[in-house]
Amino acid sequence: QVLLQESGPGLVKPSQTLSLTCTVSGASIGSGTYYWSWIRRPAGKGLEWIGRVYPSGSTNYNPSFQSRVTVSLDTSKNQFSLGLRSVTAADTAVYYCARQHYYGDTDYWGQGTLVTVPS
Amino acid sequence: SYVLTQSPSVSVAPGQTARITCEGNNIGSKSVQWYQQKPGRAPMMVIYHDSDRPSGIPERFSGSNSGNTAALTVTRVEVGDEADYTCQVWDTSTAEVVFGGGTKLTVL
Repeated sequence: QVLLQESGPGLVKPSQTLSLTCTVSGASIGSGTYYWSWIRRPAGKGLEWIGRVYPSGSTNYNPSFQSRVTVSLDTSKNQFSLGLRSVTAADTAVYYCARQHYYGDTDYWGQGTLVTVPS
Repeated sequence: SYVLTQSPSVSVAPGQTARITCEGNNIGSKSVQWYQQKPGRAPMMVIYHDSDRPSGIPERFSGSNSGNTAALTVTRVEVGDEADYTCQVWDTSTAEVVFGGGTKLTVL
């Protein structure tokens, strides 16, 4: 059983960096053929993919976030992280970490964590 | 950027069949996934690779994909199926995961 758990501040000030960590158990993020991904859902809106990282460290990002996002691995802790710079109120959302296969089929999700950026 | 279009809402009575569509340019050439999300819960994949069901997903859930339209069909709809359903593809040309806007299934 693969379990993912998000952690990080629930409140981030405008213009600052949103930083979240996902701790994975039941799978090694440094091996295998899975991608480790961040997805969010703003209130009243649909799911939005942010970006993902492969065990090699290579990344794919949503072009909408490309200029201000970083997704990285810490294999020693079996964790991966999200950094989203220069946040605004529009970045207020529930953020999920997840495991994906190549085509984006996402079979394991964290429970989600609400991050609020006040206006 | 690739766009997936879903109707905002679908309503059906219990026991009836719900069909939720996802439109995209030549989506039939892509692998489509469907996710169910209930309030306060993480999404759950109910269909992958157009029509495969993950372990534990009832046979009442099925998927199809051809031309410019993919569809999720739920037969013998139950009250517990009420949720948001979202389609998803991988856009090879831009190397990004794309989600549709989601469809709220209401069971009357």
